[in-house]
Amino acid sequence: QKEVEQNSGPLSVPEGAIASLNCTYSDRGSQSFFWYRQYSGKSPELIMFIYSNGDKEDGRFTAQLNKASQYVSLLIRDSQPSDSATYLCALWGSSASKIIFGSGTRLSIRP
Amino acid sequence: NAGVTQTPKFQVLKTGQSMTLQCAQDMNHNSMYWYRQDPGMGLRLIYYSASEGTTDKGEVPNGYNVSRLNKREFSLRLESAAPSQTSVYFCASSDPGGTQYFGPGTRLTVL
Repeated sequence: QKEVEQNSGPLSVPEGAIASLNCTYSDRGSQSFFWYRQYSGKSPELIMFIYSNGDKEDGRFTAQLNKASQYVSLLIRDSQPSDSATYLCALWGSSASKIIFGSGTRLSIRP
Repeated sequence: NAGVTQTPKFQVLKTGQSMTLQCAQDMNHNSMYWYRQDPGMGLRLIYYSASEGTTDKGEVPNGYNVSRLNKREFSLRLESAAPSQTSVYFCASSDPGGTQYFGPGTRLTVL
């Protein structure tokens, strides 16, 4: 089992709809969780992070964490074509010395 | 404030040649990382340095060496390049909360 698992996609969502991206992880001791966005040919950039169970909202983005079920998700409301990118889930594991990345989900917003 | 810089941006090598990828950050971060990214594989950690003077192997260290020259600089060396090392290489540094800041990447082709 991979430490961080994501559906590779592509996930196709109509413009203006909600895009839902999911990530599961195996290390129950994981402390911090991150979502990065990566445009084609560019480097990853942080969208948001979450430490506690529940929801965290930042503009059109909401991160959701459920440690008991070991999943973290990212919701993008009012999806725009500019949201088309690969989204990487990452976590800071119990060893706390390095970040572990999932392989990413490719999101495509169709006009 | 340049963030994380990497050189070179592009490189073509012949099998067996050696080269060093340079990385520097100006954010006073203790931790620095080298990743490679292949299509559909996400980010794979090669080596990391939790602080000046320390380095540790990541998921795919074979064929690579690193040097943490000082707090700012973390270099990656390929002693004898192989076609399997054709990839995009990203350097990153992280703040105490775990957020990673990436350089623009080096696109390496080994013929």
